[in-house]
Amino acid sequence: AQSVTQPDIHITVSEGASLELRCNYSYGATPYLFWYVQSPGQGLQLLLKYFSGDTLVQGIKGFEAEFKRSQSSFNLRKPSVHWSDAAEYFCAVGAGGGGNKLTFGTGTQLKVEL
Amino acid sequence: GAGVSQSPSNKVTEKGKDVELRCDPISGHTALYWYRQSLGQGLEFLIYFQGNSAPDKSGLPSDRFSAERTGGSVSTLTIQRTQQEDSAVYLCASSRRLAVGDNEQFFGPGTRLTVL
Repeated sequence: AQSVTQPDIHITVSEGASLELRCNYSYGATPYLFWYVQSPGQGLQLLLKYFSGDTLVQGIKGFEAEFKRSQSSFNLRKPSVHWSDAAEYFCAVGAGGGGNKLTFGTGTQLKVEL
Repeated sequence: GAGVSQSPSNKVTEKGKDVELRCDPISGHTALYWYRQSLGQGLEFLIYFQGNSAPDKSGLPSDRFSAERTGGSVSTLTIQRTQQEDSAVYLCASSRRLAVGDNEQFFGPGTRLTVL
């Protein structure tokens, strides 16, 4: 069965600093990988996704992620964090025919210091 | 257009009672999903529907949980004889299709269920 590990439960960064959120997955086939963000009182919003092709994917809000098969990782990055980025971030792997059954990591809570 | 809506936003019930949670997907979306978000288990897949195909129920935790989707649109998740461990936020999502590249899941705000 597939699984996702987000080793960092909480991360604090200063506004303007760079950010990297870690995600490791376990899946027997080519993975479909996703990053979602959940702000307080909001639903989950898709930041970016990887299905195939270029291993560096660009998403919304200036986020990007790099798929590294050899490391089973899909880390999320942003060069300069804004205070509005404070939220909880979830990495997910999709199983099933089109990667539709999402298995989520436990999430990383991001705090941004002004 | 309107996003995925869920009702009620909060539900408090007593142990042993049945509850129904409703999801209205985005118009035109053929696929609909239910997830559960709880402190102990994180985000878990429950079930998904695609058009008129048989739903994938592989994530339902027990036979007390069931879901239906009427007319290919609105879905209801029913929990019978609720237990305290059912307390969680139940999230619904929809996507245009199940096909790769066209299956971005749009999530609703969730229903927070509290079982006393």
